[in-house]
Amino acid sequence: EAQVTQNPRYLITVTGKKLTVTCSQNMNHEYMSWYRQDPGLGLRQIYYSMNVEVTDKGDVPEGYKVSRKEKRNFPLILESPSPNQTSLYFCASSLKAQVSSYNSPLHFGNGTRLTVT
Amino acid sequence: AQSVAQPEDQVNVAEGNPLTVKCTYSVSGNPYLFWYVQYPNRGLQFLLKYITGDNLVKGSYGFEAEFNKSQTSFHLKKPSALVSDSALYFCAVRGAYSGAGSYQLTFGKGTKLSVIP
Repeated sequence: EAQVTQNPRYLITVTGKKLTVTCSQNMNHEYMSWYRQDPGLGLRQIYYSMNVEVTDKGDVPEGYKVSRKEKRNFPLILESPSPNQTSLYFCASSLKAQVSSYNSPLHFGNGTRLTVT
Repeated sequence: AQSVAQPEDQVNVAEGNPLTVKCTYSVSGNPYLFWYVQYPNRGLQFLLKYITGDNLVKGSYGFEAEFNKSQTSFHLKKPSALVSDSALYFCAVRGAYSGAGSYQLTFGKGTKLSVIP
């Protein structure tokens, strides 16, 4: 089954304790992205990746890191989490970030609910 | 910069009645427009998209959307609402292709649809 898999689904941690949220897709997609969802703010993009070893900042990158060493994986790293990073996080992927697939929709994972105390 | 507005935080409709969820957008050039639905504890699921052509687009689960260029709107509609349609709906836009960086999707803040039995 074609899917985007995030782990864990739920995570409670304390301020300053480094954590990683994993994201993996099995559709051979080149484009991957991380979003956070907060009430009243909708989805805001954190980081995105056009392809392996190519990443760039989205709208709210502060406090986050990403890496794209393989096409299928795009982990989100919080080096020193803070309470304002408590949120619902989504990973998404799509075919290619180019004109021939410009109308491709995003495929989303089921989300990771992170609480930082 | 591109933007999406969903003017209603919540829409309530009786089961069997027609429903409309509103969306307006602002982009450079011709827009690529998308609707997504989010059920509780799930990721966003693609419903439908408008790229070009017929202004009325049909999608999954009986939903359709009407593109209106002069009003820069892309309202989501369904002739007869079901209780199972209750969910959070997001409109998203991608502007005209101008290189890989223009691939980003901008999401609205979401509209909660409640269908009352």
